[in-house]
Amino acid sequence: DVKVTQSSRYLVKRTGEKVFLECVQDMDHENMFWYRQDPGLGLRLIYFSYDVKMKEKGDIPEGYSVSREKKERFSLILESASTNQTSMYLCASRGWGTRLDNEQFFGPGTRLTVL
Amino acid sequence: AQSVTQLDSQVPVFEEAPVELRCNYSSSVSVYLFWYVQYPNQGLQLLLKYLSGSTLVKGINGFEAEFNKSQTSFHLRKPSVHTSDTSEYFCAVSSNTGNQFYFGTGTSLTVIP
Repeated sequence: DVKVTQSSRYLVKRTGEKVFLECVQDMDHENMFWYRQDPGLGLRLIYFSYDVKMKEKGDIPEGYSVSREKKERFSLILESASTNQTSMYLCASRGWGTRLDNEQFFGPGTRLTVL
Repeated sequence: AQSVTQLDSQVPVFEEAPVELRCNYSSSVSVYLFWYVQYPNQGLQLLLKYLSGSTLVKGINGFEAEFNKSQTSFHLRKPSVHTSDTSEYFCAVSSNTGNQFYFGTGTSLTVIP
């Protein structure tokens, strides 16, 4: 089974702190994604990566950055956390042209609270 | 670009009744279509997907969906729901050449005992 893990299920940080959210997948997927999920807004794409060291901005990249130094790991960074970044963060991975038929596989999510 | 509209934000239904969750999409290219379910405080789990072929797709937990190209719809159905189906459901679309997924805003299904 494909497995996507996220470093924390719950996280509480203070305004201005630097925050790292880590995501690891074990299926050698090329594509990885970071979303945030807020009530009534569904999932909004922050960044995605289609290969090591490659990244593309999604719909709401402001206030975030990402890092992909290894194929299995995709990190989301909040340089200076703010209260409006309190949200559920979901990581996903996706194979391309594989027998997994291009669906996205999701991690369990990290619920981040910024005080 | 693609977009997805889930017409109902909340759907209450009695146990053992049928249910339909509606999803419409817009796209100028061929697409893949997906339905995901999200249980409380968890990530999304794939229910079913349409890639090509038969327009009626069967998924897990007794759910099915029908791809209607002329109406650009991909509605999710279940003939008889259980309380365990209470959850949030998301429709998603992806082009068959692109990397991105586009998600709807979700439908909260509540099954009343």
